[in-house]
Amino acid sequence: NAGVMQNPRHLVRRRGQEARLRCSPMKGHSHVYWYRQLPEEGLKFMVYLQKENIIDESGMPKERFSAEFPKEGPSILRIQQVVRGDSAAYFCASSPNSLTTNEKLFFGSGTQLSVL
Amino acid sequence: AQSVTQPDIHITVSEGASLELRCNYSYGATPYLFWYVQSPGQGLQLLLKYFSGDTLVQGIKGFEAEFKRSQSSFNLRKPSVHWSDAAEYFCAVVAGTALIFGKGTTLSVSS
Repeated sequence: NAGVMQNPRHLVRRRGQEARLRCSPMKGHSHVYWYRQLPEEGLKFMVYLQKENIIDESGMPKERFSAEFPKEGPSILRIQQVVRGDSAAYFCASSPNSLTTNEKLFFGSGTQLSVL
Repeated sequence: AQSVTQPDIHITVSEGASLELRCNYSYGATPYLFWYVQSPGQGLQLLLKYFSGDTLVQGIKGFEAEFKRSQSSFNLRKPSVHWSDAAEYFCAVVAGTALIFGKGTTLSVSS
């Protein structure tokens, strides 16, 4: 049973380009979470999705960032017109049910985004 | 708003010594609490979680944590640290629909 798969592991973009980060949750998991990690800042919640629905996007920047989790295929975190401040590690996590039902999150190994 | 505070940014412990990592939370109701560990360049691995019941929770790799409501704390402990325990440790609380993490404590193990 494969874990949460994120790709690419490393992504380099120039300022103004688009970054697309992919996350395939564990088999049977329909809940996906995206987090951003900056050095000495811990993990910051960005967005929580269930299949085809955004449940909570309270941590998403208002502009340039979007996320989707289609019926088929991986969840995508999309960053348009990247800036240097977007450089960070982005982690995806999944769970079979919501966290309020005694569940836990399984994390991927992350995508390190570097903006030149 | 719910929050998690890890007061210690960096701790160094001798191999074989005991360890306690502090975590304080701010949450109105009974919290759901977690400890995760992250090795360099890796994702997070769950050590243990508390939802209800016994306030002393046993986890993997010999770790345990104690939920103390009166102190709003959920400290992580290990009686004897191994060099392989060197990593970053995160405390987290369920807030609404997501997990909210503290800023982490980096553990170094000296020989």
